[in-house]
Amino acid sequence: GESVGLHLPTLSVQEGDNSIINCAYSNSASDYFIWYKQESGKGPQFIIDIRSNMDKRQGQRVTVLLNKTVKHLSLQIAATQPGDSAVYFCADLLGGGYQKVTFGTGTKLQVIP
Amino acid sequence: GAGVSQSPRYKVAKRGQDVALRCDPISGHVSLFWYQQALGQGPEFLTYFQNEAQLDKSGLPSDRFFAERPEGSVSTLKIQRTQQEDSAVYLCASTLDSSLRREQFFGPGTRLTVL
Repeated sequence: GESVGLHLPTLSVQEGDNSIINCAYSNSASDYFIWYKQESGKGPQFIIDIRSNMDKRQGQRVTVLLNKTVKHLSLQIAATQPGDSAVYFCADLLGGGYQKVTFGTGTKLQVIP
Repeated sequence: GAGVSQSPRYKVAKRGQDVALRCDPISGHVSLFWYQQALGQGPEFLTYFQNEAQLDKSGLPSDRFFAERPEGSVSTLKIQRTQQEDSAVYLCASTLDSSLRREQFFGPGTRLTVL
């Protein structure tokens, strides 16, 4: 079936550097994308979202880029901090009248102090 | 306590036992979702409620899985005759209403281990 997937399972970044987490999606009908952060022992937490009519959206220290031509999403975290260590999931919403979210596999971000 | 809560946090069951997992959504939230998260994987959709109505149960893996939300608030996910492949974290999420692009708030999950 349609799926959202990630290129790299683990990413190690030095504290203070920028992090880039990538994600590919396969369903061209997807019109809304979300990035989630999941810390150990907790449920996923919303970070930032983007609609398909946009190619960039910025939040606090985070930026999401969407390239619909190649069906690619990325999450950029500026000045990565130890508290950013977690698993990051991209997810998409196919519509259908409610928020049925499809998650990718996830990328583990390890911040090296 | 403004967040989504789930109980128990951990459950160990012998194969063949029935289990019941509880979700308390954020008060007033209309929509409620259950997900199953296997180790090292992303959450997978199980079922969706709008108030007390179960509008989508397409993700339930077998007829051993049953979910209810009789009064439109607390929800229970029941698994009958548990199997080892049922071992996973079961996540519950709620949203304020059924609008598209409404943020889902997740609970901490229940980790189920079937021996």
